[in-house]
Amino acid sequence: AQSVTQLGSHVSVSEGALVLLRCNYSSSVPPYLFWYVQYPNQGLQLLLKYTSAATLVKGINGFEAEFKKSETSFHLTKPSAHMSDAAEYFCAVSGGDYKLSFGAGTTVTVRA
Amino acid sequence: SQTIHQWPATLVQPVGSPLSLECTVEGTSNPNLYWYRQAAGRGLQLLFYSVGIGQISSEVPQNLSASRPQDRQFILSSKKLLLSDSGFYLCAGSGQIYGYTFGSGTRLTVV
Repeated sequence: AQSVTQLGSHVSVSEGALVLLRCNYSSSVPPYLFWYVQYPNQGLQLLLKYTSAATLVKGINGFEAEFKKSETSFHLTKPSAHMSDAAEYFCAVSGGDYKLSFGAGTTVTVRA
Repeated sequence: SQTIHQWPATLVQPVGSPLSLECTVEGTSNPNLYWYRQAAGRGLQLLFYSVGIGQISSEVPQNLSASRPQDRQFILSSKKLLLSDSGFYLCAGSGQIYGYTFGSGTRLTVV
């Protein structure tokens, strides 16, 4: 079975500051990991995914994540926050059975 | 690329009324399809998934049911809605290896 834990349900950053969203996973098989973003009353949009190639994965909108097997982590970062980054972010894991397990989500607010 | 169409965007229904939410897929054949419910502050809960026509797996016991009458059509239903069925319902498809495409969601309010 696979699961993810997102540390921190809310993160507040200043515009231009680093965004760091933490995700730890548990998986009995080599995992496939994902980050999604959701804006209010919309579906989820894929930011990036790790599928056992490069451990540093670059995604859309300037986000990137690093897969660290030793730490069972897949943290999401963006060097400089923009007001448009205010949204809810979900980490997800798949064990290869086409079913994703999602974390509880982290809401990001960006202060001007 | 895969596109998921979901409707309606919002729905207000009285307790005890029936429900039918439809999801259709464009751009992929034989996708795996999923219904998720998102309650405020509680993440996404997988309700049903389907690997093919007529094949439905339920993840949690509940007042809802799902059907897949065609390859690219996935329907979420209820005979009698409960207040607790309120939430944001998302349909998703996985026609490519590892990763979902989501529809835009339906906000259901049961009153």
